[in-house]
Amino acid sequence: LAKTTQPISMDSYEGQEVNITCSHNNIATNDYITWYQQFPSQGPRFIIQGYKTKVTNEVASLFIPADRKSSTLSLPRVSLSDTAVYYCLVVGFNNAGNMLTFGGGTRLMVKP
Amino acid sequence: EAQVTQNPRYLITVTGKKLTVTCSQNMNHEYMSWYRQDPGLGLRQIYYSMNVEVTDKGDVPEGYKVSRKEKRNFPLILESPSPNQTSLYFCASRGMGQGARNEQFFGPGTRLTVL
Repeated sequence: LAKTTQPISMDSYEGQEVNITCSHNNIATNDYITWYQQFPSQGPRFIIQGYKTKVTNEVASLFIPADRKSSTLSLPRVSLSDTAVYYCLVVGFNNAGNMLTFGGGTRLMVKP
Repeated sequence: EAQVTQNPRYLITVTGKKLTVTCSQNMNHEYMSWYRQDPGLGLRQIYYSMNVEVTDKGDVPEGYKVSRKEKRNFPLILESPSPNQTSLYFCASRGMGQGARNEQFFGPGTRLTVL
């Protein structure tokens, strides 16, 4: 399983762009990179997924370089409500099917 | 409304008293999974199921059992709970069909305290 490494925490201010980088050096050819957001006492919520280059949706953008050994989640113009923990996952398949591993996540604190 | 439900949401019990946490999804998803979340350890997968009668161990299966007799339900069973199983538990599901993106839908969580 590809292990991910992300910063433990980040601080930002309202209106700024936030970039959270995740390292996944052992990513396999068929793996996808997926990001989740979690608020306190709630289950994680899917944000975005990508395989290579750039993916953008209404919430965030995901940048993946050609070697796919890292990825960057970009949150444009964050607000206080974006304060949460963000998880980077490499979605792979074991012999029996689908096993997912969440790392420690990045705790983002958005300040006024 | 598409959702994953868990019951109970909160439970305080004593060591050794068998308990079951139920999980149900209404999205006809093949894949279901249980996680526990502890401070500083993130989310760790306990068991997962690819379909009815197909289950497999995750990262931390010791002390837990699961069953998948129906597609919509995936109960988590603690035969003899111990204090180290005090945690926040999440159930999740996702579709596995062609073109389904790797999005898991999580339940609201069950906070379990074992005294």
